[in-house]
Amino acid sequence: DGGITQSPKYLFRKEGQNVTLSCEQNLNHDAMYWYRQDPGQGLRLIYYSQIVNDFQKGDIAEGYSVSREKKESFPLTVTSAQKNPTAFYLCASKRSGPNYGYTFGSGTRLTVV
Amino acid sequence: SQQGEEDPQALSIQEGENATMNCSYKTSINNLQWYRQNSGRGLVHLILIRSNEREKHSGRLRVTLDTSKKSSSLLITASRAADTASYFCATDDDMRFGAGTRLTVKP
Repeated sequence: DGGITQSPKYLFRKEGQNVTLSCEQNLNHDAMYWYRQDPGQGLRLIYYSQIVNDFQKGDIAEGYSVSREKKESFPLTVTSAQKNPTAFYLCASKRSGPNYGYTFGSGTRLTVV
Repeated sequence: SQQGEEDPQALSIQEGENATMNCSYKTSINNLQWYRQNSGRGLVHLILIRSNEREKHSGRLRVTLDTSKKSSSLLITASRAADTASYFCATDDDMRFGAGTRLTVKP
């Protein structure tokens, strides 16, 4: 079955370190997205990519970086410049065209220790 | 900011009761989607309603859309404890989600 896979499920990082979260999809979706969710809060858009080799900043891009070298993959790097990185990170993808919904991964919980 | 805003923020009901949550949006849309998020999990797409549709059903879910009021409602009938989750709406390709409605169904 097609889907979107995020790994790892849990990630611990020391302050000052960069860490990369993986997101892979085999749905042949063109668009991919990264969101951050804090406890009891909604989703905030970090970065998105509508096509390979192109991506755009979302609402809270500072301290994060992404790449989109392959259609299937959209990794997110949380850099040491992100002052409060502890959060739940969700990746999503979407088929191009009208009237399609988003498919989400199961998330990565990042904790800074 | 996001297009869709859910209301109420939180809802607590007894098992077997119906749960209704609402979504308001700001500009014209082609479609509106509802999602469920169980604690610590990703969002799951529940239903999509197109702008030319007024009502749509899927199992115990009933979604209505009123484009004149720029609002949608999600009704969950005969709720179960397993329906406890947060529910979000989104429109078209907005990419953004509101804070959601946190539904608690007590056994």
